[in-house]
Order: sequence, then C-alpha cells, then structure tokens
Amino acid sequence: KAGVTQTPRYLIKTRGQQVTLSCSPISGHRSVSWYQQTPGQGLQFLFEYFSETQRNKGNFPGRFSGRQFSNSRSEMNVSTLELGDSALYLCASSFSQGGETQYFGPGTRLLVL
Amino acid sequence: AQSVTQPDIHITVSEGASLELRCNYSYGATPYLFWYVQSPGQGLQLLLKYFSGDTLVQGIKGFEAEFKRSQSSFNLRKPSVHWSDAAEYFCAVGLSASNYQLIWGAGTKLIIKP
Repeated sequence: KAGVTQTPRYLIKTRGQQVTLSCSPISGHRSVSWYQQTPGQGLQFLFEYFSETQRNKGNFPGRFSGRQFSNSRSEMNVSTLELGDSALYLCASSFSQGGETQYFGPGTRLLVL
Repeated sequence: AQSVTQPDIHITVSEGASLELRCNYSYGATPYLFWYVQSPGQGLQLLLKYFSGDTLVQGIKGFEAEFKRSQSSFNLRKPSVHWSDAAEYFCAVGLSASNYQLIWGAGTKLIIKP
C-alpha cells in the first residue's frame, strides 16, 4: 500500500498570505490528523477528521482550519500567516479508532517570510 | 493536564553499545503509549506501541520498551546500536479510544559515536 502523501513538500509564503496543505491518507484509512512541529514547541496536535467531521481539535487559533473530503483526503488551511507559523506540518492517518496506530506522511515544510 | 517528559534532550552512545531512552507520562488512566523515530527531513515512523497486555513490547529495528505503571514510564531500549539509529526519538501518549489526540514528548536526539 502507498503511504501517506503530503503536498507540497516545501512552501514559502509571506506574512498575511494564506496557505492550503493537502494530505492523502493510506487507502482504507478514514481518520486524518494534523500536527505542527517547531523547534520551540515540538509536536502539537492541530485537529483530527473522521468521515468528513472534525472529531478533535487542539489549542490553535481559528486561523487554522481543515476539512476532509468523501475520499478521506484532507486539507488544512492557515489564513493570515504569521512568522511563527513557520513549521513542519505533519499529517497522519489511521483506520478508524482513537488510540490506533497513526501513520505519518513526510510533512510539508512551510516558511513564512 | 496530561504531559509526556523525555528528560534527555541529547544522548551520545558508541556504536555497539546499549541504549535506553527515558519517557515518563502524566495521565490518570492507562494510556496508549508509542515510540516514534524521525530521521532528518523525514516524517515519523512508528517503532512500537503499547495498548494493553504484556508490558514488554517488541518493535522494529531491534527496539523494545517496557511499560511500568508504578513509575509512569515507558522507556525505550536497544541492546546494541548501529550508526543508522542516529535520529530523534519521540515518546507519545494517546488519551483514549475516543480521543485521537497524541500528546508528545520533546524528543531525544540520539548521536552515535563511531
């Protein structure tokens, strides 16, 4: 089976812009989670989607949003980018239940100038 | 609040030596426990996990971890490290079957001396 894929792999934006990142889960997986990884804050949970519904949300401002499509592919959007949004954004998929193993994609590295 | 502590930011070991990476968690119930590894520029790869049952868990690449409820610990071990094990290792806690959020430790960077 193909693994989790994320596009694009690298992105450079300027402050105030918005960005959309995409994640395609492993075939058959219905849950997609997003994480932000920075040197200062480490790995932080953004949100999790299952069957097109957001099930869990981390402690991030409303500028961070996401959605999931009927084919389980997911996108996350960050509006009004700030310098502090520069990070590696990781997507993970799993079959269904919370607590199950999450399989991670390679990440999208976002640089905000 | 739930938390995961990896007390060692960096660990340096010689190739062929044994390794133990520490992980302690703070959580009221028995959590789901994971160890992931991240190589430079890569995503996270699952090494092993503990959900229930035998407290000594075997993983990939020769790693094992032991869940000790009394110490709230889930330390990762390997009897003999290889240069290819140089990476960053993350311990994570899953809260429940109905909450998919993972709480992460800060990571331990493993450096291998030749």
